[in-house]
Amino acid sequence: VQLLESGGGLVRPGESLRLSCAASGFSFSDYYMNWFRQAPGKGLEWVAYISNGGNTIYYADSVRGRFTVSRDNARKSLFLQMNALRAEDTAVFYCASAGGGIEAAGPVGVDVWGQGTTVTVSS
Amino acid sequence: QSVLTQPPSASGTPGQTVTISCSGSNSNIGSNTVNWYQQLPGTAPKLLIYRNNQRPSGVPERFSGSKSGTSASLAISGLQSEDEAHYYCAAWDDSLRGVFGSGTKVTVL
Repeated sequence: VQLLESGGGLVRPGESLRLSCAASGFSFSDYYMNWFRQAPGKGLEWVAYISNGGNTIYYADSVRGRFTVSRDNARKSLFLQMNALRAEDTAVFYCASAGGGIEAAGPVGVDVWGQGTTVTVSS
Repeated sequence: QSVLTQPPSASGTPGQTVTISCSGSNSNIGSNTVNWYQQLPGTAPKLLIYRNNQRPSGVPERFSGSKSGTSASLAISGLQSEDEAHYYCAAWDDSLRGVFGSGTKVTVL
């Protein structure tokens, strides 16, 4: 059971970046997915949620209107399109799922995490 | 500022019990389940407790969770040196967002 993020990097304020998360070892299409992030030296922050079928999506206020979460169940992949990036978006971004076997843990109950990908927004 | 309130730090000697509190409101802890995550330095978070008091497979029994009203707590009994980490509580909020505590750093003296 594994999640692997990619796509992080250094961008300037106002630019865009697309993160990907590849799943393996579990039935990806059966589980909701989340993006979380952690700014340097700070705590965890929830970013976005997408249901297993992709038809229910929620965003944190801090990213709504700028970030778009999507998934491709055939490719077992999760995406986060990030536009109009700001310095305060600098963080390690994690994708996470409940694909490890827990049940009824709520939308932010996740037992499988990726290793994280670093996004740095700086001029 | 985090929606859920946790103490910034907690400590104990090996073998002691450490308890971490997490305070919320009716719209999050009061009406949804609480999860607890452990984060060791430089690593991704790990789920310790879900659905208020359930342990995922592989999590030692000395980690336990409870919830009452709009508050929850995580207890670590038989504290060990490898328990030094940050601990975060998390819950869903009825305003359709995930909320976290600011995290508690546990130090083993």
